[in-house]
Amino acid sequence: DQQVKQNSPSLSVQEGRISILNCDYTNSMFDYFLWYKKYPAEGPTFLISISSIKDKNEDGRFTVFLNKSAKHLSLHIVPSQPGDSAVYFCAANSNSGTYKYIFGTGTRLKVLA
Amino acid sequence: DTEVTQTPKHLVMGMTNKKSLKCEQHMGHRAMYWYKQKAKKPPELMFVYSYEKLSINESVPSRFSPECPNSSLLNLHLHALQPEDSALYLCASSQDVSAYEQYFGPGTRLTVT
Repeated sequence: DQQVKQNSPSLSVQEGRISILNCDYTNSMFDYFLWYKKYPAEGPTFLISISSIKDKNEDGRFTVFLNKSAKHLSLHIVPSQPGDSAVYFCAANSNSGTYKYIFGTGTRLKVLA
Repeated sequence: DTEVTQTPKHLVMGMTNKKSLKCEQHMGHRAMYWYKQKAKKPPELMFVYSYEKLSINESVPSRFSPECPNSSLLNLHLHALQPEDSALYLCASSQDVSAYEQYFGPGTRLTVT
């Protein structure tokens, strides 16, 4: 049972436009969410996070939105740059003491120059 | 220094071999993790060490044996692996198990022949 889902395996966006990556989750106990970016042959790199007490967190070109009622979060990248081309994973965990992350399956973003 | 290093980058081993994967961090982190990632799948947690003690084992087969010799090092000893164990093995660390952000190494690409 996939508790964290990224239903779009790939996304192509023109340079300079907005990239929107989506993530849905099923477990209402999740209270912290992260986005990781992964280039080929590298480990995931932490990008941005959001706590369930917020609905938006912004860091430069990256903004994460959380809709708890819909159990949905999204990552907006504005403006998109070719260097943003990577696989993006969302991850969730619950304050259950284990701090175990559940990762989504990833979305491959390609930013076209 | 926010780097987690892993050696080797690539490893090919036979099913009767014994090998070890190594992970190192010098960020003073007290929690370290092993993940396994198969192609086109999200990372899956294997083990969590907290203050050099094993705190989580996600029902990993005994042919994988983790070891944390000190607060900076994490090893994964491999013995009698199966071809289906071929994957990318990622190490990560965090300030402690209560810290949300985890920092990942580049991974070791393991092929079992």
